[in-house]
Amino acid sequence: SQQGEEDPQALSIQEGENATMNCSYKTSINNLQWYRQNSGRGLVHLILIRSNEREKHSGRLRVTLDTSKKSSSLLITASRAADTASYFCATALPNSGYSTLTFGKGTMLLVSP
Amino acid sequence: EAGVTQSPTHLIKTRGQQATLRCSPISGHTSVYWYQQALGLGLQFLLWYDEGEERNRGNFPPRFSGRQFPNYSSELNVNALELEDSALYLCASSRRGLGTEAFFGQGTRLTVV
Repeated sequence: SQQGEEDPQALSIQEGENATMNCSYKTSINNLQWYRQNSGRGLVHLILIRSNEREKHSGRLRVTLDTSKKSSSLLITASRAADTASYFCATALPNSGYSTLTFGKGTMLLVSP
Repeated sequence: EAGVTQSPTHLIKTRGQQATLRCSPISGHTSVYWYQQALGLGLQFLLWYDEGEERNRGNFPPRFSGRQFPNYSSELNVNALELEDSALYLCASSRRGLGTEAFFGQGTRLTVV
């Protein structure tokens, strides 16, 4: 079963704009991760935020985590056409000792030049 | 450092046949995960292997099976193929457990006709 759910399902913006994607999850977590997938290829890890962290930055990426609301957001600033991809949040299942990642269905981001 | 490698890249099988997919993890990683990504369904967790043992299994029938070899490479076998098994099968590796960052291969595209 899916642990995380991303919102929106699809997002279309112009180059230079910011893109915000949200993720909600169901159970307790020890961390939450964001991944990117370019057109049906393998996923690439973007950023990991631990359950005791509220915000984390990596280059043009900013991730927030609200464990009370069981939600996270990924902000991509000054987007580029190369950011066009699907973005997934992932959390680890408590019943696996937090050793198995489950993914949402993803947000498809289209950045137009 | 070589990444996660999967073979073959594409595989076409007939309904009822068996498919074998292979994965070589990053050197030093003992955990291998298999995911199925069917159109519109996101990533579905299939299997987790660590130190040669199956540690966790997703909600898939027994005809999905696999193994991990002493060098930590892994095989996914799908018996009695059905049309709905057509999907991108992704392998990921990580240092054992605790929901750490996963590194993905480029996937095997399985088409069942």
